[in-house]
Amino acid sequence: GENVEQHPSTLSVQEGDSAVIKCTYSDSASNYFPWYKQELGKGPQLIIDIRSNVGEKKDQRIAVTLNKTAKHFSLHITETQPEDSAVYFCAASIYQPGAQKLVFGQGTRLTINP
Amino acid sequence: GAGVSQSPSNKVTEKGKDVELRCDPISGHTALYWYRQSLGQGLEFLIYFQGNSAPDKSGLPSDRFSAERTGGSVSTLTIQRTQQEDSAVYLCASSLVVTQYFGPGTRLLVL
Repeated sequence: GENVEQHPSTLSVQEGDSAVIKCTYSDSASNYFPWYKQELGKGPQLIIDIRSNVGEKKDQRIAVTLNKTAKHFSLHITETQPEDSAVYFCAASIYQPGAQKLVFGQGTRLTINP
Repeated sequence: GAGVSQSPSNKVTEKGKDVELRCDPISGHTALYWYRQSLGQGLEFLIYFQGNSAPDKSGLPSDRFSAERTGGSVSTLTIQRTQQEDSAVYLCASSLVVTQYFGPGTRLLVL
């Protein structure tokens, strides 16, 4: 089955700098890759996702890149702000209409230092 | 509209007791998922429902775990004869097409 590895497990950056989190996956059939942000005591919230027919997607300060050949994808956050501090999870699944089982990475605890 | 809700938000139980966790998905969402998140860990898939049927139960850790969904809406996850290793946050999510929306979770502590 699918296996997702996420690095680093913790990341600390200065406010205003960029943060990058990387994930690799094992199943070449996976074609849907969401990123979730989880704040303390809350459930994960989707922040951006990408499907395998594109290599990059941006939404304001957040971008995700996908390399299907190498089977890795990355989250990029620019101009970081204190409210970006949270745990971030990547996931992979095989897209199918109606439902899909997400396999998550272990998470990255991002801390933005003022 | 309202998001995914879960109850109770916290549950403390004694080893060997049964517990029921409830999930109310977003209205109209056909798919419902259960995940488990152990302390400091990622999310582990348990089971998902498409309507009232559960095509994939592969993630249930043991036969002490079961889940049902009735009326294509509310779902309950039942853990029988709880063990200390069952202590975790149990998260529910629902989706209409692709995006899964998560509830706040139930924090289960087995003493």
